[in-house]
Amino acid sequence: EVQLLESGGGLVQPGGSLRLSCAASGFTFSSFGMGWVRQAPGKGLEWVSAVSGSGDSTYYADSVKGRFTSSRDNSKNTLYLQMNSLRGDDTAVYYCAKSELGRWYFDLWGRGTLATVSS
Amino acid sequence: EIVLTQSPATLSLSPGERATLSCRASQGVFIYLAWYQQKLGQAPRLLIYDASNRATGIPARFSGSGSGTDFTLTISSLEPEDFAVYYCQQRAIWPITFGQGTRLEIK
Repeated sequence: EVQLLESGGGLVQPGGSLRLSCAASGFTFSSFGMGWVRQAPGKGLEWVSAVSGSGDSTYYADSVKGRFTSSRDNSKNTLYLQMNSLRGDDTAVYYCAKSELGRWYFDLWGRGTLATVSS
Repeated sequence: EIVLTQSPATLSLSPGERATLSCRASQGVFIYLAWYQQKLGQAPRLLIYDASNRATGIPARFSGSGSGTDFTLTISSLEPEDFAVYYCQQRAIWPITFGQGTRLEIK
């Protein structure tokens, strides 16, 4: 079955760190760019980061640049998002998403993992 | 960054009616625009990519049009399962951006 499964969310204090993981199955993981999109409670979608299939290229929203790092392990079919210096406005459901071949649209999404930043 | 402005914010229609949703870009994005549907408590689903191409498994009642700065998502005859929030997204220029969404509600 083609699917993405996020994990690693939870409650963290401001200034803390979290590492999200996204396990992929059912497709050739290394052939596709992957992204992270977040959604604050009751709000719209915000793109966070993207990483190419090889992992050589990464892209970030200005709101997370310098604090978040995307990476992937193609041998484990897993995508990661390391989140440091977390702030209250980082509180959101974080979705892992697969890009459509050759284009930065997202045609497969996980169910999301909630990261809550609060003291 | 490219700002995508969706209108209206909320659209109230009845099943069987035609829905027209708009997405306007702050600068030209060629045809590099997608539409997503999100139902409450679910992840988004890709409907349309490159302005007018339906994604796999998307019913023919969904269609997209436009280029440059003005785009439209049309649902020809609303089914009960179509009432949801719709987002546009551009991939023309980094960073990727989404519109703020249009809520399609039952009248």
